[in-house]
Formats: sequence, structure tokens, C-alpha cells
Amino acid sequence: GQSLEQPSEVTAVEGAIVQINCTYQTSGFYGLSWYQQHDGGAPTFLSYNALDGLEETGRFSSFLSRSDSYGYLLLQELQMKDSASYFCAVKGQAGTALIFGKGTTLSVSS
Amino acid sequence: GAVVSQHPSWVICKSGTSVKIECRSLDFQATTMFWYRQFPKQSLMLMATSNEGSKATYEQGVEKDKFLINHASLTLSTLTVTSAHPEDSSFYICSASPATGANYGYTFGSGTRLTVV
Repeated sequence: GQSLEQPSEVTAVEGAIVQINCTYQTSGFYGLSWYQQHDGGAPTFLSYNALDGLEETGRFSSFLSRSDSYGYLLLQELQMKDSASYFCAVKGQAGTALIFGKGTTLSVSS
Repeated sequence: GAVVSQHPSWVICKSGTSVKIECRSLDFQATTMFWYRQFPKQSLMLMATSNEGSKATYEQGVEKDKFLINHASLTLSTLTVTSAHPEDSSFYICSASPATGANYGYTFGSGTRLTVV
């Protein structure tokens, strides 16, 4: 089976930096992805790590340590529009579905 | 690229009726599509894997006779909720990736909010 753990809620103020952690247990591993979802919307792809290390995409970065079965999403220079749910997701094998964590609700205040 | 279109975006139906949701890959071919269900404030739960030209693979606990999946072409998968009941009210989302096998960044449809009254 596969399971992913991430914090349920995170709060921060505009301009701050937030890190959302994700630990996973999977029978196979084909990469860790991060998705953002606003209320009522569909998930949108943010980042993906197949190998250890940091991937940077603008204000968002994602990190993976396969030996620790751990990753995180780093959001910098937070803006109000970043208030959303963030999901980590893993794929056990090529071509199989993504399995999602329970999601982290990020609330950004002014 | 890699656009997935899902229709309808919302639907209200009466208990006992059936509802069909379509998921189309607009600019790529998808041999495999995935159907998820999401209840309010919860995560996306995989319901089934839709395979072009063959039967869908359902996750444990998902009734295949209630949630009929058809993947008749490389660009279209449909999910039919049969004899819908209020507890089937949920947000249904499909996803796909190009048949060439992108390793990441599955694209999601915009979702269908189903309300059964």
C-alpha cells in the first residue's frame, strides 16, 4: 500500500516563507509531485522530483530525499493568492495513477 | 500542451437517475486516464484506471456496476454514475498524461461537481 503524511493546516503572512513537509510509504516509487488546488477548482501541477535534491520553479521549490522517504514544498514571498490546498502525490510505477496525501490548507493573511 | 477537458462542470440530478461525465484529452492521446473523487475538505481518492480498449481497473471499495467507465478511444473516457443517490454527490476529476509516457505532471480536467437531490 501507499500512504502520505502532510500537515493539515499552515498559516503565514504575506511575504513570508512556508515549508510543507511530506513523508511517504510506498511499495514502489516513481517520483514525488506537488499540486495546488483552490476551492472549487481542479489540482494544478506545481513541481516534481524523481531524484534527490532541490527543484526550483520561480517562488516555489521542492525537495526530495529518497533515503528518508521525505520531501517538502517551499513557498517563498507568499501572496494572498497562494491561499489554497497543497497536495503531495506519489506514483508507484510508470504509467500508474498518482496517489495523493490528505492535503495541507495554507492560509495567507495580510 | 497536454490539455484535458471535462464536461459537464456541474450537474444536478434526481435520485435514481444516471449521469455521464466526459473526459477528453485535447492535444494528445491517452491510453490511460484516471478517475478521482473528492469530498469537501478531503483529498483526491483514486476510483479507477481507465484503459483504452479494455476494461477499467477499479480501486478496492469502488462499485464497478455503479460507476461505469468506458474508454473507447485514445482521447475520450467517460464515467457514468448509475442510479445516483445523495451520497454520490461529490467532485469527480479525471486526469491523463500523453501516451508517450511523461513521467510527471499529469494533467487534470476541471472537474465535475455532482449534486444528487
